[in-house]
Amino acid sequence: GAVVSQHPSRVICKSGTSVKIECRSLDFQATTMFWYRQFPKQSLMLMATSNEGSKATYEQGVEKDKFLINHASLTLSTLTVTSAHPEDSSFYICSARDEGAGRAFFGQGTRLTVV
Amino acid sequence: QQQVKQSPQSLIVQKGGISIINCAYENTAFDYFPWYQQFPGKGPALLIAIRPDVSEKKEGRFTISFNKSAKQFSLHIMDSQPGDSATYFCAASMRGNQFYFGTGTSLTVIP
Repeated sequence: GAVVSQHPSRVICKSGTSVKIECRSLDFQATTMFWYRQFPKQSLMLMATSNEGSKATYEQGVEKDKFLINHASLTLSTLTVTSAHPEDSSFYICSARDEGAGRAFFGQGTRLTVV
Repeated sequence: QQQVKQSPQSLIVQKGGISIINCAYENTAFDYFPWYQQFPGKGPALLIAIRPDVSEKKEGRFTISFNKSAKQFSLHIMDSQPGDSATYFCAASMRGNQFYFGTGTSLTVIP
């Protein structure tokens, strides 16, 4: 199957700092990528849909100014958690849509811990 | 509104037994139904998936049964092993768009 690489896999940052997470489609072009968040012992919830060359679409309740999404190329989307706080500690997972395969593939996820 | 409903929330099975997890969906436009296995601290890993044009798919000890008319699908794990202990999520999507996940089932296989 197609490969989606997410980096970093783990990050610990201080409260008030910003953290950038990258999501790359390695062997296909992805005009659309998705960002999910998973709190401990909970399911994955969609945060936003990222479209190459245009603004991301955020789900209700997700602060667009806090979670900045950039999809500047067909193989890379980034999620920046700005002014992170301990309550932002979570597992963030991206997926990228492979038009040829007709489905999306997940990255490995990023464990963010804000101290 | 929960697009995909999953049950049970937790499941304990004896080694060698059959684990069964059920999901139901509402949107008939969904065209892809995967099951994901997730171990603590790891991302979800695709286990097996089915499209609505077939009623069953088997891969090793894992089988998906799909009932289009009832809008239900289930995961069967045959000969369950302690290494299968994990959280399992069903999901649904349409045309490669976002996944709608079930709430997850925590499976424990007792030796």
